[in-house]
Amino acid sequence: NAGVMQNPRHLVRRRGQEARLRCSPMKGHSHVYWYRQLPEEGLKFMVYLQKENIIDESGMPKERFSAEFPKEGPSILRIQQVVRGDSAAYFCASSSTGTTNTGELFFGEGSRLTVL
Amino acid sequence: QQQVKQSPQSLIVQKGGISIINCAYENTAFDYFPWYQQFPGKGPALLIAIRPDVSEKKEGRFTISFNKSAKQFSLHIMDSQPGDSATYFCAASGNYGGSQGNLIFGKGTKLSVKP
Repeated sequence: NAGVMQNPRHLVRRRGQEARLRCSPMKGHSHVYWYRQLPEEGLKFMVYLQKENIIDESGMPKERFSAEFPKEGPSILRIQQVVRGDSAAYFCASSSTGTTNTGELFFGEGSRLTVL
Repeated sequence: QQQVKQSPQSLIVQKGGISIINCAYENTAFDYFPWYQQFPGKGPALLIAIRPDVSEKKEGRFTISFNKSAKQFSLHIMDSQPGDSATYFCAASGNYGGSQGNLIFGKGTKLSVKP
């Protein structure tokens, strides 16, 4: 499958635990974006990364959230000490270019986090 | 200024009818306006996109109408089919101070096409 791969598809955590969401971009794509989707809401931009660099993290909460895209391996969105309000679908998207207005964003099927 | 306002929130259309979804924006620096389609349990997928240098773009049964002066754009689905039932998101992006061209999404419209 050459598409954007996200795992796990579903994740259940108790309050205070850590959640790690992984994203492998499409083959040949080096730009990764993370979005969060709440019920009845649109997709909210969180962070944009290139290999080994965070380009824009303006949409990511300053505390408990972090993201990385190492030279080797998938991009990881990490949420520490999860709270119920973190329950959402987290989507990863990748592109072959550096800006969304010059190319299509390809989305994965999302990781659905439930915090008990 | 960063918002993209989308309406209606939900829409029910009979098979063969026309579905119309509207979006409005404030930021005049936006210069790329895609529409994404999302089925339940799936990620969004690009449907059609337009840039401000044209007022209309058509791909099959899907048409985007763009009104630059009013800062509005809309999606028209002709001859709507039950298989079109999904959530549709408009979005906008542009290169301007503080932005890396990230897509700003509307809140979505849940379309149901009745057979």
